[in-house]
Order: sequence, then C-alpha cells, then structure tokens
Amino acid sequence: ETGVTQSPTHLIKTRGQQVTLRCSSQSGHNTVSWYQQALGQGPQFIFQYYREEENGRGNFPPRFSGLQFPNYSSELNVNALELDDSALYLCASSPGGESLAIYFGEGSWLTVV
Amino acid sequence: AQKVTQAQTEISVVEKEDVTLDCVYETRDTTYYLFWYKQPPSGELVFLIRRNSFDEQNEISGRYSWNFQKSTSSFNFTITASQVVDSAVYFCALNDNNDMRFGAGTRLTVKP
Repeated sequence: ETGVTQSPTHLIKTRGQQVTLRCSSQSGHNTVSWYQQALGQGPQFIFQYYREEENGRGNFPPRFSGLQFPNYSSELNVNALELDDSALYLCASSPGGESLAIYFGEGSWLTVV
Repeated sequence: AQKVTQAQTEISVVEKEDVTLDCVYETRDTTYYLFWYKQPPSGELVFLIRRNSFDEQNEISGRYSWNFQKSTSSFNFTITASQVVDSAVYFCALNDNNDMRFGAGTRLTVKP
C-alpha cells in the first residue's frame, strides 16, 4: 500500500474521444508524475508536476495534458484518443522538488477501440 | 542521449538459486539517480532502491543487493536464495534533468 490512489481502474474509450485520469498522491507529497506503460514495455515518462506547475515532460504530444491541484492531487487528460494510447497509466508521487518517482499507484488501464 | 538497457528479457531460475539482473545506462549528466522497481502481475510498481550518481557504495537489503559501477555505467541487482514470490518484472530506471527513463524490464520466473 503506497498511499497513491488512481481512478478509474479500468476504462474503455472510442478513438477520437477524450479521457481524464485521476491521481491522489500520498499525504505530504507535492510532486506527481505520470507514465504510460504499453503492454510488455517499460513505463514511459509523460510529465511531472511540482506545486501545481509542470516541471518536466517526456516525448508526448500536446494532446497529453495535466493538472495538479492545491491539495497535490492530479489529473491526466488525453484528447483525440488514438488506438496506440491503449496502455496502463501510472501515477507516482514523491515528497520533494526533485524528480524522484518513488511511490506508484496501481494504475488505470485504458483501452481505446 | 539518456538510455537504459536491460539486456535480459526473461530469466527463469529454480527456487533458492541466486540471480543477477543486469542494467546498463547512458547519460551525459554528472548528477543522476538510478532506481530498481518490481512490478508484480497486479501492475503496481514497487520501489526497491534509489541510488544517486555520487554514491557508489554497494547496498544490501536482506536477500537483495545492488552493485553500482560508474566505470561501466552499470547498476546490477542480485537476489540471493530466490523465492517464488520474487517472480515479477523488474525495471531499472534512470532519472536525470527531470526526465525519468525506464528499461524494457526483465521478467523473472522463480520455479518451486
């Protein structure tokens, strides 16, 4: 039990739709990062938020966007869904400003059909 | 360019055997962090260890040990006396300049 919770656990969307995934970080953690993990591959870094500001981004297009709220919870939004967006989306929280992904949630499984 | 290579895609051992998972990384930064994570079938990534680039001291935690060698850019992970519960996918990861890069993972199967 890491204290990082994600919702929804599973969801199915249609190509072209939009999706919002949510993450509640561990208490006291002000840094949240998001990852995409396709089946059989390692997680790929999408972006990171520190105190409500994005402070790092991987190689993902702008249709992947995010928010961090004053309570440090976070959302990942994906617009114009494509079939290749089907993956496990993982959220991780860490206690400081350093980009150290330590505590992961169980992820949200997204299937795009 | 930042890169993490886990050359072993799958490893299968019999319980009580020792097993080493290899990790080789590339980075241009002098300050970076290395990690190992375990991912059981449930999907959650379990943090095992973090090591910064200035700390080359090897570490042992129970049956787990890590060998960090900057000269060869390697950060290998050894499980001693493996158990069935160690079966999982293990990821090595590198973090530098606010970018986190994972290797492709090594699937470890420990048979009874």
